Amino acid sequence: AQTVTQSQPEMSVQEAETVTLSCTYDTSESDYYLFWYKQPPSRQMILVIRQEAYKQQNATENRFSVNFQKAAKSFSLKISDSQLGDAAMYFCAYRSATTGFQKLVFGTGTRLLVSP
Amino acid sequence: SQTIHQWPATLVQPVGSPLSLECTVEGTSNPNLYWYRQAAGRGLQLLFYSVGIGQISSEVPQNLSASRPQDRQFILSSKKLLLSDSGFYLCAWNRDRGTDTQYFGPGTRLTVL
Repeated sequence: AQTVTQSQPEMSVQEAETVTLSCTYDTSESDYYLFWYKQPPSRQMILVIRQEAYKQQNATENRFSVNFQKAAKSFSLKISDSQLGDAAMYFCAYRSATTGFQKLVFGTGTRLLVSP
Repeated sequence: SQTIHQWPATLVQPVGSPLSLECTVEGTSNPNLYWYRQAAGRGLQLLFYSVGIGQISSEVPQNLSASRPQDRQFILSSKKLLLSDSGFYLCAWNRDRGTDTQYFGPGTRLTVL
């Protein structure tokens, strides 16, 4: 079974600075998707960014980018120019692309604190 | 555009009482639907998923059940709640395509006393 590990329970960053959240995963599959979701205090899960494993190019969405290292099974999220609104729980998630059912496997999350 | 609704937003129930949480999706047809639970300080755990009306699969054996009476409606139920059922319940959907991302509803906070 696939597992996702987020080893940083909490991270802190100052406004306008850059922070990187770590995620590692374990799988025997070669084709899959990886996601970062943000959960603000409202607790609704919001998609931040998505990466297809077959793509070598790292995904970017405005201030958010990933460092996808397939051989190392690592998928970190970099937030540039941090803003107060970035404060939230961040979850890394994995989904197989080869099975018919699209189950998401989540890590335990990293709480990001942003200070002025 | 598509939207997903959940209600109620918050619920406090006594142990042993029944439960019914509802999720509906607008703006799409034949979605895949999912129920997740998030315990305090934990990640999300998939409870049930459905690929069509009346088609329910369970990921974790427990005190809960799910039903899909209509194409865009997904219901989470229990006949008798346990303390351990407390948590945050999230419904999600995606299109019936292998590459599609799951999108989440606003969630229901359930407290069992």
